[in-house]
Amino acid sequence: NAGVMQNPRHLVRRRGQEARLRCSPMKGHSHVYWYRQLPEEGLKFMVYLQKENIIDESGMPKERFSAEFPKEGPSILRIQQVVRGDSAAYFCASSPLDRGEGGYTFGSGTRLTVV
Amino acid sequence: GQQLNQSPQSMFIQEGEDVSMNCTSSSIFNTWLWYKQEPGEGPVLLIALYKAGELTSNGRLTAQFGITRKDSFLNISASIPSDVGIYFCAGQIPGGSNYKLTFGKGTLLTVNP
Repeated sequence: NAGVMQNPRHLVRRRGQEARLRCSPMKGHSHVYWYRQLPEEGLKFMVYLQKENIIDESGMPKERFSAEFPKEGPSILRIQQVVRGDSAAYFCASSPLDRGEGGYTFGSGTRLTVV
Repeated sequence: GQQLNQSPQSMFIQEGEDVSMNCTSSSIFNTWLWYKQEPGEGPVLLIALYKAGELTSNGRLTAQFGITRKDSFLNISASIPSDVGIYFCAGQIPGGSNYKLTFGKGTLLTVNP
C-alpha cells in the first residue's frame, strides 16, 4: 500500500520557466492538499482539491500558481514564470475524508530551486 | 491568520535525556497534532489530540492538549539518536475550514550519542 507519491523529489528551474509538481494520493484517498514550506518555516496551506474540483485555493498566490486534480492521474501543482521566491519544499497530503483532524499523510515533497 | 508559537526553536541534548517542547496560540484550537520531519522527507504524524486535557502516549512520546485549548506540549523520554529531526505542532481552528492545518515553525532536536 504505497503512501503519497510525489515527483520529482528535486526540481531546478531557471527564472521564468514553468514548474510542474505531481502528487499521487494514497489508494482510496480522494482529497488532496498542497502545502508549501519555506526554509526554516512551518508548512503553509495552499490548496485543497477533490477529484475534478478545487475546494479551497485561499492559500495559493493569485498569480502564476494553479492546481488541478483530474479524474484520472495525479494532482498537479503548476507554477508559471517561476521567481527566486518560489524556491521552497512543496508537500502534498491526502486523506479519505475532508477532515484534517485525523492527521494527513504527507508525501516526501518536491524541493524546488529557482536559479 | 492564526499563529502557533513553538518553543524552543532548537535543542541539543545528550542521548538518554528527556525532552520537552511546547506550542502556544492566542486562539483556541479544536485539534492539536504533532509531526516529526526528517531531512529530505515529509512530516510524519506522531500524535493527534482531540479534547482539552487529553493526554496521549505513543511509545516514548507523550503529548497533552492544554485545558485552555490554546497550548500543547510534547515530551520525549530517554532520547535516542534517531529522535533527531524537526518537530512541528499543528492545529485546526474551530469552525470554518476543518481540513486546514496551521503549523508552528518547528523545534529542531539534535541528540548527541
